[in-house]
Amino acid sequence: QQQVKQSPQSLIVQKGGISIINCAYENTAFDYFPWYQQFPGKGPALLIAIRPDVSEKKEGRFTISFNKSAKQFSLHIMDSQPGDSATYFCAASGNAGNMLTFGGGTRLMVKP
Amino acid sequence: ETGVTQTPRHLVMGMTNKKSLKCEQHLGHNAMYWYKQSAKKPLELMFVYNFKEQTENNSVPSRFSPECPNSSHLFLHLHTLQPEDSALYLCASSQDWGAGANVLTFGAGSRLTVL
Repeated sequence: QQQVKQSPQSLIVQKGGISIINCAYENTAFDYFPWYQQFPGKGPALLIAIRPDVSEKKEGRFTISFNKSAKQFSLHIMDSQPGDSATYFCAASGNAGNMLTFGGGTRLMVKP
Repeated sequence: ETGVTQTPRHLVMGMTNKKSLKCEQHLGHNAMYWYKQSAKKPLELMFVYNFKEQTENNSVPSRFSPECPNSSHLFLHLHTLQPEDSALYLCASSQDWGAGANVLTFGAGSRLTVL
């Protein structure tokens, strides 16, 4: 019930392309869905987050799409750049006291 | 730096050694966490402290012993570890436990190698 499944495990995209990472969850009590970005040698850092009252949130080249009925959400990186090469983690949490549950991570490589 | 500082950044130890990892946060947060990151389990929660009190222990072996003397400092004491304990150990903090637990600030991690 607490699991968040993330795919793909790794992704290679050409510079300028669109990177898409998908996550699915089971627990309908989840109401907060962040994405974390981790560069080599660094800890994960919050990138963008969404709550289920909206279906999409955009910040610059990064967009979260959320499908409540399907219990799925995805991260789209438009015009992908080599500097976007990192590991991306989706996560989900619910009400007070409900810890973040992380997906398994996606290693993204953007080729010049 | 992100406001969460971890030392040492790299540690090599034998299975009979005793060592400690240190974490300090300068964000005024009340909750602190230890995560283990390895190839098999990318982000595995180990311990949670809220206002210095341990609120979560995720079935972690006793060879890992956490200590939280105050809301700004967190330690992970290591004793008789196994080679499979080699991993990146990440410290994180959040404003509070509960509703504030869903926004984490991570440190850069301590890379541990057990020989």
